[in-house]
Amino acid sequence: DQQVKQNSPSLSVQEGRISILNCDYTNSMFDYFLWYKKYPAEGPTFLISISSIKDKNEDGRFTVFLNKSAKHLSLHIVPSQPGDSAVYFCAASYNFNKFYFGSGTKLNVKP
Amino acid sequence: NAGVTQTPKFQVLKTGQSMTLQCAQDMNHEYMSWYRQDPGMGLRLIHYSVGAGITDQGEVPNGYNVSRSTTEDFPLRLLSAAPSQTSVYFCASSLTQRVSYNEQFFGPGTRLTVL
Repeated sequence: DQQVKQNSPSLSVQEGRISILNCDYTNSMFDYFLWYKKYPAEGPTFLISISSIKDKNEDGRFTVFLNKSAKHLSLHIVPSQPGDSAVYFCAASYNFNKFYFGSGTKLNVKP
Repeated sequence: NAGVTQTPKFQVLKTGQSMTLQCAQDMNHEYMSWYRQDPGMGLRLIHYSVGAGITDQGEVPNGYNVSRSTTEDFPLRLLSAAPSQTSVYFCASSLTQRVSYNEQFFGPGTRLTVL
C-alpha cells in the first residue's frame, strides 16, 4: 500500500495564476518531505523540501505547506509559468535512507 | 561534472535473460540508490547504498541485485528478467544521508522492456 499519495493525476492552470499540488501520506513517522519536478525523458530534479518541525518553506515562486495533523502537504507555485509544465512528485522519508514517492501530478500551465 | 550517468538509455530483453544497468556519479557522493518508475505508481526504491561496500534493500528489491565496490559506481543486476520488470529505471545519488537529508540527483533513466 502506498504511503505517499497524490490523488490528482493532472492539473491545468492558466499562466500567471496559482498552481496548487497536493500530497497525502499515511506514515506518521515521516519527518522530511520533498518535491521533485520531472520533464519527459529526464530524471527528476529536486525542487523544495520541508522538515516536519516546520509548517511552511518558501523558495522564490515555490512554497510548500505541511499540515501534520492532516498528514497533508501542498506545493504552491505563484505565479505559474509555461516552463513549470511537468510532472511533480512528492516524496517523504523518516530514516534518512528510504524515500517514498507519490505517483505524480502532471501540471499543464497554459499560456 | 557529468553528474549521474546511466547506460544504456534503452534495452529490450527476453524473459530469462540477464543484464546489468550501469550507474556512475562523479560528485564523490556517499549515497546512491535505484528506483523504478511505473505508470500510476510513482518511483519505488529498489536498493540503496550509503557507501562503498554497504548496500540495503528498498521497497521492491526482489529480482534485483546490487553491489558497491567503488564510490562512483552502483550497478543494478537483473539475474533472470521477467515481463514485470518492464519499467523505467532511475539511479540517484546524494552527498550523504547519514545524519541529515540531502538533495538527490537523478540520472536520465534507462527504459527497459522485457518480452
